[in-house]
Amino acid sequence: DAKTTQPNSMESNEEEPVHLPCNHSTISGTDYIHWYRQLPSQGPEYVIHGLTSNVNNRMASLAIAEDRKSSTLILHRATLRDAAVYYCILRDVDSNSGYALNFGKGTSLLVTP
Amino acid sequence: GAVVSQHPSWVICKSGTSVKIECRSLDFQATTMFWYRQFPKQSLMLMATSNEGSKATYEQGVEKDKFLINHASLTLSTLTVTSAHPEDSSFYICSASRRQGNQPQHFGDGTRLSIL
Repeated sequence: DAKTTQPNSMESNEEEPVHLPCNHSTISGTDYIHWYRQLPSQGPEYVIHGLTSNVNNRMASLAIAEDRKSSTLILHRATLRDAAVYYCILRDVDSNSGYALNFGKGTSLLVTP
Repeated sequence: GAVVSQHPSWVICKSGTSVKIECRSLDFQATTMFWYRQFPKQSLMLMATSNEGSKATYEQGVEKDKFLINHASLTLSTLTVTSAHPEDSSFYICSASRRQGNQPQHFGDGTRLSIL
């Protein structure tokens, strides 16, 4: 799977929007962009995923650049419960390696009151 | 609610003890489950892929005789850390997905293993 690059940490104020960037310049045409987050002392949690078009769900929005070399996870109103490590992961839909996820270091999001 | 259940949540035991961790998919069948390990302030590292009815596939550097994996049914995979030592202390996490393709992975809440 292609590599992703994320900032080590970001900080946001509560109730403000948060834009978490991810660079994936070597993305292939069959790579989906997945986002997971891990709250302290818990297993990761699925957030959202997409291929080319922007995606919205109840948790977040995913904005994908036209050339797909970068994407942004958008939390519309950060809450204290959104403080977590956010992982941007590429998954090749044609991969024969099963569905294991290759976790990088992610972005540690701090939300302050 | 949780779709993957992991048990126990935490274990503290003496060096040399074997510890079994269970991972269950609650409302779906999972032919494949995954086991990860996470050391403090580090990311998750894939240890092995658990395949129902066949041998597990281990990542490079993971000792298959030390980390025994059994996937005897479509809803249960177990990881046994044999003769555990302090360096095996870590956060162990399992995951499964409902079916093939790009369906989300569902993760257990993890097992905190502390070997004294």
